[in-house]
Amino acid sequence: AQSVAQPEDQVNVAEGNPLTVKCTYSVSGNPYLFWYVQYPNRGLQFLLKYITGDNLVKGSYGFEAEFNKSQTSFHLKKPSALVSDSALYFCAVRFGGNEKLTFGTGTRLTIIP
Amino acid sequence: DTGVSQNPRHKITKRGQNVTFRCDPISEHNRLYWYRQTLGQGPEFLTYFQNEAQLEKSRLLSDRFSAERPKGSFSTLEIQRTEQGDSAMYLCASRVAGEYNYGYTFGSGTRLTVV
Repeated sequence: AQSVAQPEDQVNVAEGNPLTVKCTYSVSGNPYLFWYVQYPNRGLQFLLKYITGDNLVKGSYGFEAEFNKSQTSFHLKKPSALVSDSALYFCAVRFGGNEKLTFGTGTRLTIIP
Repeated sequence: DTGVSQNPRHKITKRGQNVTFRCDPISEHNRLYWYRQTLGQGPEFLTYFQNEAQLEKSRLLSDRFSAERPKGSFSTLEIQRTEQGDSAMYLCASRVAGEYNYGYTFGSGTRLTVV
């Protein structure tokens, strides 16, 4: 069975500092990994994905994530946080022929001015 | 608008009533998905369609839930005899099968409150 863990419910970062939102996964075979962001009362907005190829993936709004197969992780990063980055972030995994995305429980990111 | 559209945005209903939600996917997307998100949780898969065919249903989709995509375009999700536990955000997503360039595109969701 595929699963995703986001070990931190809440992450606080000062504006201008680098940020990391953690994600680990459990899936047999090669995973497809995604990050989504959700603003209050809104749906999910796609940030980036890893399917294959380069382990460092660059996405929207200056975010990037690194796929680490040995640690089964896919942490989301940004070099310099903006107050507008404050939102709820979800990591998701999909495996091979399985059509559904399995989401983590989310991490609330707060950027402190 | 080229995104995924969901209506209504909010629905308040009394326990025991039936409700129906609509999702209009991106027009060229042949796959359509429904997810449910409860407070403090990530979205959970309910069901998906390829064109008009419903190909998978989660165990979360009880007999009171039914989804259709009659012409392979828009989809409806109906909940009969609603219960308070049905209160959640219902999200729709779509994509082109085999195309991963932009991931799954989600709508803004329908928030259901059962009172």
